[in-house]
Amino acid sequence: GAVVSQHPSRVICKSGTSVKIECRSLDFQATTMFWYRQFPKQSLMLMATSNEGSKATYEQGVEKDKFLINHASLTLSTLTVTSAHPEDSSFYICSAETSGAYEQYFGPGTRLTVT
Amino acid sequence: DQQVKQNSPSLSVQEGRISILNCDYTNSMFDYFLWYKKYPAEGPTFLISISSIKDKNEDGRFTVFLNKSAKHLSLHIVPSQPGDSAVYFCAAHSGGSNYKLTFGKGTLLTVNP
Repeated sequence: GAVVSQHPSRVICKSGTSVKIECRSLDFQATTMFWYRQFPKQSLMLMATSNEGSKATYEQGVEKDKFLINHASLTLSTLTVTSAHPEDSSFYICSAETSGAYEQYFGPGTRLTVT
Repeated sequence: DQQVKQNSPSLSVQEGRISILNCDYTNSMFDYFLWYKKYPAEGPTFLISISSIKDKNEDGRFTVFLNKSAKHLSLHIVPSQPGDSAVYFCAAHSGGSNYKLTFGKGTLLTVNP
């Protein structure tokens, strides 16, 4: 149980375009999903917390207009990187938790490369 | 200000021996701690957790110890296996109604055959 999928696993896009990453909880309902970013040899940096049916809560320093998060259902959250630039190239990972549990279950991650 | 610290970026252990991964924290409001294992280009996998009201939790080869007075926790893996080679992240929950976790920078464990 507690499987989280992400799609796509890898994406290359041109500078100025937008990219959407999907995060799905496959066998449970996720009241809260999280989006992280990881730079090489660095920790997981929380970008935002999204609750189903409400606006995402962004961490300090994360541009909400650039990283659009939608959590339309209890099994799906999407992260859209708008007007991507090379500095947005990174490994993006989502996680999900079920109500009342502190354990977060992570997706396999998406490698974004902006050329 | 890094609230969860994993001061050893790497650790090398012989197969069959014990691996001890350490984690220190500064926030006394942390009430729940977790260990995750991560392979390259994959998402972290939950391993084991411990509530702040306990000092030990064991699950198979994995045991987590919590010393609240020292604000220190450790993950013991025994016996270590080559497949345990990965980056291990310590994470902490800061209490309250949100479920945010604060992660350490990770320790790369290499188990040599």
